[in-house]
Amino acid sequence: QSVLTQPPSVSAAPGQKVTISCSGSSSTIGSNYVSWYQQVPGTVPKLLIYENNKRPSGIPDRFSGSKSGTSATLGITGLQTGDEADYYCGTWDTSLGVVWVFGGGTKLTVL
Amino acid sequence: EVQLVESGGALVKPGGSLRLSCATSRFTFRNAWMSWVRQAPGKGLEWVGRIKTNTDGGTTDYAAPVQGRFTISRDDSKKMLYLQMNSLKSEDTAVYYCTAQLANWGQGTLVTVSS
Repeated sequence: QSVLTQPPSVSAAPGQKVTISCSGSSSTIGSNYVSWYQQVPGTVPKLLIYENNKRPSGIPDRFSGSKSGTSATLGITGLQTGDEADYYCGTWDTSLGVVWVFGGGTKLTVL
Repeated sequence: EVQLVESGGALVKPGGSLRLSCATSRFTFRNAWMSWVRQAPGKGLEWVGRIKTNTDGGTTDYAAPVQGRFTISRDDSKKMLYLQMNSLKSEDTAVYYCTAQLANWGQGTLVTVSS
């Protein structure tokens, strides 16, 4: 069971918008930056969002991140079939030492 | 473009040891906090541990499942990252990724622990 909770799956039609939630606690999301990763099946995870809402160079602005309290959200607009992937949130957990934790992952299906 | 290339993955028996290496290039390795992340077959991502820069003390932190069995080290002169894995268990079977600042990832190397 992950320290960060994500829905197992979400789905939406091409062109639509989808959001993926990531719920944590005061020692994780509540006090640290959140990152989001995309992993297309059979490929290496790719950083989509860092420091809650910043996009690395090359990541389109269709991808956005936000954080409120102990939860974070990844938003994807203008869905494309190529967005079908697993998405993971991650952050530091400072409750017992300092460890990085990932959410369990959310499978996005573009119908 | 940042390059990270892992090597050393293999089939090993339970209780055995293995050392993974990660060759890096095209970024200032000595300034990067480096992590290992693993992914068991069909499962999600699991952080293994991290080593800070030598400027920041070069200290390490580990996930609970590997604490006391795995050791991360770095050689800034060679721009190399290592993961020494001892007392391996079947549940350590996974693809192991080397990451720079949890932003750039290598292609991964497969470790299989089985008798």
